[in-house]
Amino acid sequence: QLLESGGGLVQPGGSLRLSCAASGFSFSSYAMNWVRQAPGEGLEWVSVISPSGTATNYADSVRGRFTVSRDNSRNTLYLQMNSLRDEDMALYSCARDWHADYWGQGTVVTVSS
Amino acid sequence: DVVVTQSPLSLPVTLGQPASISCRSRQSLVHSDGNTYFNWFQQRPGQSPRRLIYKVSNRDSGVPDRFSGSGSGSDFTLTISSVEADDVGLYYCMQSTSCCTFGQGTKLEIK
Repeated sequence: QLLESGGGLVQPGGSLRLSCAASGFSFSSYAMNWVRQAPGEGLEWVSVISPSGTATNYADSVRGRFTVSRDNSRNTLYLQMNSLRDEDMALYSCARDWHADYWGQGTVVTVSS
Repeated sequence: DVVVTQSPLSLPVTLGQPASISCRSRQSLVHSDGNTYFNWFQQRPGQSPRRLIYKVSNRDSGVPDRFSGSGSGSDFTLTISSVEADDVGLYYCMQSTSCCTFGQGTKLEIK
């Protein structure tokens, strides 16, 4: 199971940290992704982190503003989002594995003044 | 970034008829390890995406065999051999060879 949390309302320029709690599988053995879906729009890949956390990658749209991390001792994935923009407003979901074989339900991020 | 172009964006289909969705990339999606990491997802209304196909043509566990994936290099197709009412929703392709890019999505509806 993947359970996201941490979404909410934030002003433009603000920050938010999302969490994804994993259970039922060996979390430390899997890469993990963040994917977002803006209202009425398609899926957009955001970021990926290797099983150990030593390798990360980001979409150009968030690089330099978002940071992905993980705590394998807590079976938890994180996404630190800074300098939030209107266009970051979306449902953010975590997905297991390099190739996104299993997804959580997501947490909603609203960016508005 | 790798661009993936998906078509059609809307797909009205009669129950029991076949349906096909295409995705094309401007570059080859063959990984240096020799695999092609191309995936298909289904998103039913109000639900999270569910992966149907991985590595071009491998069905995930529990996916009905009416779903099949094919293609190579930069040109890929998802085929539903006989559409059922349960298949209504959005379908996305995703390349994870050079992580990662989604197609624009195809809305499948019943005529």
